[in-house]
Amino acid sequence: DAGITQSPRYKITETGRQVTLMCHQTWSHSYMFWYRQDLGHGLRLIYYSAAADITDKGEVPDGYVVSRSKTENFPLTLESATRSQTSVYFCASSDSLTVATNEKLFFGSGTQLSVL
Amino acid sequence: DAKTTQPPSMDCAEGRAANLPCNHSTISGNEYVYWYRQIHSQGPQYIIHGLKNNETNEMASLIITEDRKSSTLILPHATLRDTAVYYCIVRVNLQGAQKLVFGQGTRLTINP
Repeated sequence: DAGITQSPRYKITETGRQVTLMCHQTWSHSYMFWYRQDLGHGLRLIYYSAAADITDKGEVPDGYVVSRSKTENFPLTLESATRSQTSVYFCASSDSLTVATNEKLFFGSGTQLSVL
Repeated sequence: DAKTTQPPSMDCAEGRAANLPCNHSTISGNEYVYWYRQIHSQGPQYIIHGLKNNETNEMASLIITEDRKSSTLILPHATLRDTAVYYCIVRVNLQGAQKLVFGQGTRLTINP
C-alpha cells in the first residue's frame, strides 16, 4: 500500500529556475491538494484539484502552476523560483468531500525546498 | 470561512488526559470542525471531525459546545508519541471542492 508519495524529499535550487515537485497517489482519490508550510504561517493551501483536468486556486497560488492530466498525479511547478518560495511543501489527497463518507485528507511526507 | 484560535503550546503528563481547546466563534451552520496533528517532520494526520454532536474514535474524543463556538479535543491517556502540533480546522463544504484553513495549531508536549 504505497499511499501518497512526494518527490524529491529535498531540493535545492537557484532563483529564477523552474522546479517541479511531484505528487503521486495510489488510491484513485478524486481530490488532491498542495500546501506549503512556513514558520509563523502554518499550512497554507496553494492549489487543489477536484478531478483530472479540474484545478483551482487556494490561498497563496501566485508563482505556482499545477496540472492534473491523470487522477493519480498532481505536480506543482514553480516557473521561476524565488527565495520567498523556500518552504516545506505537502501534497494531500481525499476520496470524497461528503460527510456521509467521513472523508479525510491523507498527506505525503513533504518536500523541503530551498531557493538560493 | 471561519477561523480558529488555539493556545500556542500546552504540556501534559504521560498517562493523563490531554484537553486541547479551540475557539471557532465565527463558525457557520454548515462548517465542520476537524482535528489533525503533525508529528515533527511528517505530514499532518487526521484525528477526528464533527458538526454538532460529540464524537469519539480510537484516537480521541471531540467535544463541541452547544453553540458550536468552541470545541475540545481529548486524548484520554496521553503517551510520549502524542507529542505533536495539533490543528483545529474548520472545513467549508463548497460545491465540488473542499477548503481547509489550517491555523497555527497547539504544540502539545507530553512529559514523562
